Order: sequence, then structure tokens, then C-alpha cells
Amino acid sequence: EDQVTQSPEALRLQEGESSSLNCSYTVSGLRGLFWYRQDPGKGPEFLFTLYSAGEEKEKERLKATLTKKESFLHITAPKPEDSATYLCAVWVDYKLSFGAGTTVTVRA
Amino acid sequence: EAQVTQNPRYLITVTGKKLTVTCSQNMNHEYMSWYRQDPGLGLRQIYYSMNVEVTDKGDVPEGYKVSRKEKRNFPLILESPSPNQTSLYFCASGGDEQYFGPGTRLTVT
Repeated sequence: EDQVTQSPEALRLQEGESSSLNCSYTVSGLRGLFWYRQDPGKGPEFLFTLYSAGEEKEKERLKATLTKKESFLHITAPKPEDSATYLCAVWVDYKLSFGAGTTVTVRA
Repeated sequence: EAQVTQNPRYLITVTGKKLTVTCSQNMNHEYMSWYRQDPGLGLRQIYYSMNVEVTDKGDVPEGYKVSRKEKRNFPLILESPSPNQTSLYFCASGGDEQYFGPGTRLTVT
């Protein structure tokens, strides 16, 4: 059975304090790994898709990396507007399975 | 503007009264899917569709039906809703980049 585990569950950061979120997965036949940002009561907002180990993608203060067993989302010098829940999901055989998410709070 | 739309956004209904939640996308995507999101359980896939006329079950399909007669539309049907289907529902479309709709908050009493 495909498993996706995110850690930590919650992360409180001071503005400017860089950190990393982890997404570990146990799947067969990974087609892609997605990262999303979700604000309360809203639909997930697409951030990145990673396909193979060693791949990296960046967008503003966010950088996603992928290994054969896990993915990291690095947040560099975060701002209060980066506060949200970050979700990862694995795409296997056209099915998408999500982790429980990491809720990030950035204090000014 | 590229978008996924869902209707209604909010719905309160009673047990057993059939309902349909519509989903439409304007990005010409082949792949569409439905999810429910519940506290403590996260996002779980209900059904997905690889293209018109081809649909398959996700992780929690019981109590739901879907149809895909046109590429742009993918409605979710609850034939006989029950209180355990109270949830926040999301439709999504895309392939390598998947885009979510704004959500439908459903309450079944």
C-alpha cells in the first residue's frame, strides 16, 4: 500500500528563519511527486512536480528536492505570507495520494 | 483565466436526497479527479478520470458516482447521501500540473 508521511505536523518560524519540511514515501512506480500550498478553507495551490531522484525546483523562497525515498521543501527566509499548510502527494498509476500536511506559521 | 469551477460552493441537505456537485475546467485537460478532505484524515481521492468515458476508483469511492461525457465536465453524484459524507469536496484537473477548484462544503443531516 502506498504511504506518504509528512513531518513535522506543525512548524513555527520567526520571519527570516529558514527551515525544511519532509515528505517520505513508500510507493511502487512513482510517476511524480507534487507539492501544494493550502490556505484555510481554500483549494490546494499547485507549487511543484518532481519526477526523478536528484531533481530540484525553485519558486521564490521555496525549493523542492527529491530522492528515491523522500522529498524536501526548503523555505528560505520565510515571510508571514508563507504561513499555510504544505501538502505533498505521490502520483502512482493515475492515483494521487496525499500526506497529512505540515502547517507552517511564520511570525513577524 | 484558467480555472476549475465547482458548484454549489455550500450545500446543506438531508439523508437520502440525491445531489450532484458539478465541476468544470477550461484548460482542455484530459485528467480530472475528485477528493474529499476531512480533519485528521487529509485529502483522499474519490474517483479519477483519465479521459472522456474512462473513469476509475480512488481510495474512497463508496457512496459516490461520477460521469465524464465531455472533456470539460466531471460531476460528482451522491445517490443517497449519508451524514458520513459530510465533508469538504475538491475537484481537480491537469496532468503534470494539477489544479484544484475552490471546494464544496457539504453537510448531510
